[in-house]
Amino acid sequence: AQTVTQSQPEMSVQEAETVTLSCTYDTSESDYYLFWYKQPPSRQMILVIRQEAYKQQNATENRFSVNFQKAAKSFSLKISDSQLGDAAMYFCAFTSTGSARQLTFGSGTQLTVLP
Amino acid sequence: GAVVSQHPSWVICKSGTSVKIECRSLDFQATTMFWYRQFPKQSLMLMATSNEGSKATYEQGVEKDKFLINHASLTLSTLTVTSAHPEDSSFYICSASDPVASPYNEQFFGPGTRLTVL
Repeated sequence: AQTVTQSQPEMSVQEAETVTLSCTYDTSESDYYLFWYKQPPSRQMILVIRQEAYKQQNATENRFSVNFQKAAKSFSLKISDSQLGDAAMYFCAFTSTGSARQLTFGSGTQLTVLP
Repeated sequence: GAVVSQHPSWVICKSGTSVKIECRSLDFQATTMFWYRQFPKQSLMLMATSNEGSKATYEQGVEKDKFLINHASLTLSTLTVTSAHPEDSSFYICSASDPVASPYNEQFFGPGTRLTVL
């Protein structure tokens, strides 16, 4: 079974600064997908970024980028130029490439953005 | 694209009554839908997985007779909480996935339903 660990229950960052959220996972599979989801106060889950395990290049989506270290089973999220709207709970998630399509979530990191 | 709606967004009911929550994929066909429960400041807890036209698969510890799930079409899944009790009060979230709409197995989430049982 896969596990996803987020060791930072809470983080804070000053507006316009950069913050990195950590995530590690454990799996015996060689091919899989990793995601970061954001859950703002509205509680709507929003997909932030995706990484395919077979790709060495780190995914980037505007101000959001990941540092994917497959051997270390690490998948951190970097948010650059933090904005007030980035304040949310962030969940790291793992899924295999099979047909089950289930997500394994981490426990989440609550990000506060300070003005 | 890939929008999932959920209705109602908030429901209050009396203890002992049943409540139905609907989850719809608006612009894609969802072969698989998931139902989660989330307590405040906690992660999502998967309750069950449903594939269109098949019986739902429940996670260990989830009472299938209490949480009835129906996935009768490629765009609609329903969760019925039967004989609800105050301990069933929670935030329920559905999500949808499909090989065409989500080739990387990502799930698209509904906005959630807050259930309060008095």
